[in-house]
Amino acid sequence: GDSVTQMEGPVTLSEEAFLTINCTYTATGYPSLFWYVQYPGEGLQLLLKATKADDKGSNKGFEATYRKETTSFHLEKGSVQVSDSAVYFCALTGTYKYIFGTGTRLKVLA
Amino acid sequence: EAGVAQSPRYKIIEKRQSVAFWCNPISGHATLYWYQQILGQGPKLLIQFQNNGVVDDSQLPKDRFSAERLKGVDSTLKIQPAKLEDSAVYLCASSLDLSRGHSYEQYFGPGTRLTVT
Repeated sequence: GDSVTQMEGPVTLSEEAFLTINCTYTATGYPSLFWYVQYPGEGLQLLLKATKADDKGSNKGFEATYRKETTSFHLEKGSVQVSDSAVYFCALTGTYKYIFGTGTRLKVLA
Repeated sequence: EAGVAQSPRYKIIEKRQSVAFWCNPISGHATLYWYQQILGQGPKLLIQFQNNGVVDDSQLPKDRFSAERLKGVDSTLKIQPAKLEDSAVYLCASSLDLSRGHSYEQYFGPGTRLTVT
């Protein structure tokens, strides 16, 4: 069945460091891919998405490119801030369902 | 646009008691989801509604959990009787009809934090 695999956390970075959170997926057909973010005490919210191969989603300085050849959707940001500390979830939609990864906790130190 | 509303925000009960959570999705969203999120883990889908029909309830512990979505709008999730391992955050989310487009995002409510003692 469809699945999403994320790198395990926590990831701890200093402010202004470069961020990469790896996400790979398995799916039949052509799913849409998403990154959601969950700040402490809140529900999840969409960070960015890509709906077809080679699409790049971007928002708030974060980017991810839909790579069908490597079945990946890695999240990147060039310079993280303390306010980016949160849990990040990779997800896909397949067969009318959402599949979430287990989440990667990011902690950014000032 | 109003977001997904959930209540209560917090609930503490003793094991073997019952509890109910309420969710009001975004207007016009046909698909409604209930998730269980245990501390430190990703959200686990309990049940997915399409209007007032069930699309997926394969991970719902049906001996103790039940959910309904009357008139295809509001939804209620009930646990009876509760166990210690039910302590978690229960998230409700909604989206446009996924069967019509797989690019639709989910909108999440703030969640209900349940503690079973």
